[in-house]
Amino acid sequence: QVQLVESGGGVVHPGRSLRLSCAASGFTFSSYAMHWVRQAPGKGLEWVAVISYDGRNEHHADSVKGRFTISRDNSKNALYLQMNRLRAEDTAVYYCARDRYYDILTGYSFEYWGQGTLVTVSS
Amino acid sequence: QSVLTQPPSVSGAPGQRVTISCTGSSSDIGAGYDVHWYQHLPGTAPKLLIFDNNRRPAGVPDRFSGSKSGTSASLAITGLQAEDETDYYCQSYDSTLSAYVFGTGTRVTVL
Repeated sequence: QVQLVESGGGVVHPGRSLRLSCAASGFTFSSYAMHWVRQAPGKGLEWVAVISYDGRNEHHADSVKGRFTISRDNSKNALYLQMNRLRAEDTAVYYCARDRYYDILTGYSFEYWGQGTLVTVSS
Repeated sequence: QSVLTQPPSVSGAPGQRVTISCTGSSSDIGAGYDVHWYQHLPGTAPKLLIFDNNRRPAGVPDRFSGSKSGTSASLAITGLQAEDETDYYCQSYDSTLSAYVFGTGTRVTVL
């Protein structure tokens, strides 16, 4: 069965960096686009970034553009989110999710999700 | 930030039917992009409930159904059960923002 397991969350000071990972199993990882989605405490879901099946194309939400970078290693079935210059408003549970398709910006659904990892940005 | 608007909460008695609206604009739902629905119990993995406006993934009961018209979409839950009490989100794509967008979320309460 499809499994997505996030890791790397924790408490970090404003302005510092953190890298999240998502380990995928149960499907051909290299065939699907992948996303990061977050949920701040008491708030709704917010899409963060997407990367194509081969890692050649990615796109980030305006709220994180220039600070966060999505990447993947298909040889390791792993998805990453490098988060730099973190702000208090980045505090959230971060989920990785698998797209239904291989390419990005197509409007397809997020078919499978992980349980999330909590990132807390606080001094 | 959310660009799709949902009611904050809806409620119904067991066995009743409830609907959740999702209102967008000409750059997302109205532009022809599909609407998808997720069920999310906070602290757990969100679950795809409806995709491509009205299609159910395998294993989702037919008590859940979706529809889309113009710049809006709806999720209907018939035969409401206690286990349906959680949060629901619609999602689409916005061509102006070049971003995937979620609704504001709706908490369903079973009375």
